[in-house]
Amino acid sequence: TQLLEQSPQFLSIQEGENLTVYCNSSSVFSSLQWYRQEPGEGPVLLVTVVTGGEVKKLKRLTFQFGDARKDSSLHITAAQPGDTGLYLCAGGRSGGGADGLTFGKGTHLIIQP
Amino acid sequence: EAGVTQFPSHSVIEKGQTVTLRCDPISGHDNLYWYRRVMGKEIKFLLHFVKESKQDESGMPNNRFLAERTGGTYSTLKVQPAELEDSGVYFCASSRRQGLYGYTFGSGTRLTVV
Repeated sequence: TQLLEQSPQFLSIQEGENLTVYCNSSSVFSSLQWYRQEPGEGPVLLVTVVTGGEVKKLKRLTFQFGDARKDSSLHITAAQPGDTGLYLCAGGRSGGGADGLTFGKGTHLIIQP
Repeated sequence: EAGVTQFPSHSVIEKGQTVTLRCDPISGHDNLYWYRRVMGKEIKFLLHFVKESKQDESGMPNNRFLAERTGGTYSTLKVQPAELEDSGVYFCASSRRQGLYGYTFGSGTRLTVV
């Protein structure tokens, strides 16, 4: 069973601070996706990384895929109250007949004004 | 384009009853996925359709769960008979391409079995 461990589970910081969320596994994934979920809604895809060492930026969010494709991080610069939400990482595998994503439990992020 | 639509948004049923969840994927998306999140746990994969065919159903919990996608359009997930442990949020997602790429998720159906 592939597991994705996310840390921290909960994070509450002040507006303007920086933060990093981590997603770790002992298994190799072909891709790593980050989603954001609001209450009562489904996860919304933020980014997909597929190459070891890959870095992608989405405005104030920076996503990195580990060199060995076992881990990933999400860094938010100058957090805003609008960044509040549940952040989920999910690993995908290509081939082998197992098509589903493996999700982490998520990081509940609260940005206080 | 319209998003992934799930119906109903909430369902409360008694143990032993039957419930059918419906998912309408984005038009043109051949890949349709069902996931479930039980309280306190991570979102878990249930199964994957490519058009009307089941590509991977390795995540289906047991034979009380039956998923169909007749005609390769909308999909239904039936739970019969429902048990208490089936409570959770059931998400449907669709994608145009298979494999490594992200999906578009629906808002989910919150199922409560009492």
